[in-house]
Amino acid sequence: GAGVSQTPSNKVTEKGKYVELRCDPISGHTALYWYRQSLGQGPEFLIYFQGTGAADDSGLPNDRFFAVRPEGSVSTLKIQRTERGDSAMYLCASQRQKNTEAFFGQGTRLTVV
Amino acid sequence: DAKTTQPPSMDCAEGRAANLPCNHSTISGNEYVYWYRQIHSQGPQYIIHGLKNNETNEMASLIITEDRKSSTLILPHATLRDTAVYYCIVRDNYGQNFVFGPGTRLSVLP
Repeated sequence: GAGVSQTPSNKVTEKGKYVELRCDPISGHTALYWYRQSLGQGPEFLIYFQGTGAADDSGLPNDRFFAVRPEGSVSTLKIQRTERGDSAMYLCASQRQKNTEAFFGQGTRLTVV
Repeated sequence: DAKTTQPPSMDCAEGRAANLPCNHSTISGNEYVYWYRQIHSQGPQYIIHGLKNNETNEMASLIITEDRKSSTLILPHATLRDTAVYYCIVRDNYGQNFVFGPGTRLSVLP
């Protein structure tokens, strides 16, 4: 079946602009994660949804970052007033239920110029 | 912080078994060992996970020591396409997120 889909695959934006990154999880998966990965490092946790609610948002670096999952399926990661330091690969993963493996999408590469 | 320690890099000859070690000396009784890999510019790919018994699937085998303080991921016949960064992650099954360390960069050499 279809895997986790992330759009766009690449996004270039100017410093100070607002961006939205979209994640379509595998159908029926209740859990959804967002991660950020800088070059040469492992993925860094941002936020975890169980259904529609954010069960853990402790990884969001500051209040410019926000994520929603209004219907418990698609999720959008929103970044306000982007900074050059926000440039990274943003990864989304979904999980059928808590005690199973998570499957990752191919990521959105964000470049802030 | 990641609860695991892995060597930063390893080489393996094509066709030979690749044995990737992972130390997780502080693992608790309800925590599983997960392995993922990441090929350049792609999202992490799930490989295998286990609690205390050894596990095998079409991709790899996972050997967990009896005291559960370490484990080894085995790719039985490594190919050039197995060149990737391999991440060992310890996680409970009650909603804890996956914490990635720097992983092991495996290079499969022709």
